[in-house]
Amino acid sequence: EIVLTQSPATLSLSPGERASLSCRASQNVMTNYLAWYQQKPGQPPRRLIYGALNRATGIPDRFSGSGSGTDFTLTISRLEPEDFAVYYCQQYGTLPYTFGQGTKLEIK
Amino acid sequence: QLVESGGGLVQPGGSLRLSCTASGFTVSNHFVTWVRQAPGKGLEWVSVVYSSGLANYADSVKDRFSLSRDNSQNTVHLQMNSLRPEDTAVYYCARDLGLLGALDLWGLGTMVTVSS
Repeated sequence: EIVLTQSPATLSLSPGERASLSCRASQNVMTNYLAWYQQKPGQPPRRLIYGALNRATGIPDRFSGSGSGTDFTLTISRLEPEDFAVYYCQQYGTLPYTFGQGTKLEIK
Repeated sequence: QLVESGGGLVQPGGSLRLSCTASGFTVSNHFVTWVRQAPGKGLEWVSVVYSSGLANYADSVKDRFSLSRDNSQNTVHLQMNSLRPEDTAVYYCARDLGLLGALDLWGLGTMVTVSS
């Protein structure tokens, strides 16, 4: 199975700063079928990005996805207070579809 | 929206059937995926049922879990047998757009606790 490794495990930043979250795959992600989700405590995940770089409907443009092959990045250009949460990547091109272990974005 | 139900406390070796009822779209025309999250842990992909009715499962649940669909109730069921303590988690169902967009709509989840 494709193992996704997210880094860092925890990222401490202040509102207004730029965040870069990494997701590295153990083998090529088929046709960049990679998604990013945001999860807040007590809530289900919310899709942010699909196809590595496509922003989902209703997601602010401060969120962007990039990368290909085995290296992917979620960038939040300017952090808002509501962005502090846990972020997961998921590959959905090769069964079993797998998630990364998550990056917790916390307020510094 | 999606609404999960059927969670609860079950003893090891027991069985439970979860349901995922959709409104606003037809489950038979979409893929539906189950994802679970153990307490304080990350997300784990569990299974998917395709619009064709075929399904795939994670190795951790293969031969113990099975998916079925009730088109008349617009509902997908996850039958869980031979439950283990490590199956304890919140179980989410999600509409799966597959290669066109991943998991775009999620339910609120239902808690399954496997303990004696």
